[in-house]
Amino acid sequence: GNSVTQMEGPVTLSEEAFLTINCTYTATGYPSLFWYVQYPGEGLQLLLKATKADDKGSNKGFEATYRKETTSFHLEKGSVQVSDSAVYFCALSPSGGSYIPTFGRGTSLIVHP
Amino acid sequence: GAGVSQTPSNKVTEKGKYVELRCDPISGHTALYWYRQSLGQGPEFLIYFQGTGAADDSGLPNDRFFAVRPEGSVSTLKIQRTERGDSAVYLCASSPLGAGIDEQYFGPGTRLTVT
Repeated sequence: GNSVTQMEGPVTLSEEAFLTINCTYTATGYPSLFWYVQYPGEGLQLLLKATKADDKGSNKGFEATYRKETTSFHLEKGSVQVSDSAVYFCALSPSGGSYIPTFGRGTSLIVHP
Repeated sequence: GAGVSQTPSNKVTEKGKYVELRCDPISGHTALYWYRQSLGQGPEFLIYFQGTGAADDSGLPNDRFFAVRPEGSVSTLKIQRTERGDSAVYLCASSPLGAGIDEQYFGPGTRLTVT
């Protein structure tokens, strides 16, 4: 079956540090890949997505590249802010645009001033 | 406009009791989804409605769980004979007709605690 593995958290960084949150997946075919963010007290929000190999999704300074050869979709940001503190979820949607996503367990990011 | 809302935000109940969790989707969204998020885990799909009918309920864990959407808008997730293992955050999401998962808008969730 499909699965998503994320690095354990929490990830604790100082403001302006470089961020990487690792995500690897197992799926048949060519899934679409997503990063969602959950700010404290709010619902999950789509952060970025990539639908095919070598695509790069980007939003709000965050980036992730769909690497089929390593089945990875690592999230990066060059300079984090305190306001980036949240839980980040990697997810996949199977080939064919199925509406049923598989989520990773989430990685908490804490950014200190 | 208003986003997806869920009520109550928190629910504490005793083992064996019946609970109902409500979801108000974004107006005009035809699709509605329920997920369960256990502590330290990502959301797990429970059931998907397209209009009034359940298009896919394959994620419901057992027959104690049931969901309805009688008028194609508000949905209620019902859990009978609650167990401590049902404790989790229950998330609702809605999307326009034909949208993929990247167009699912999530509510803030209902935190259910079974004592």
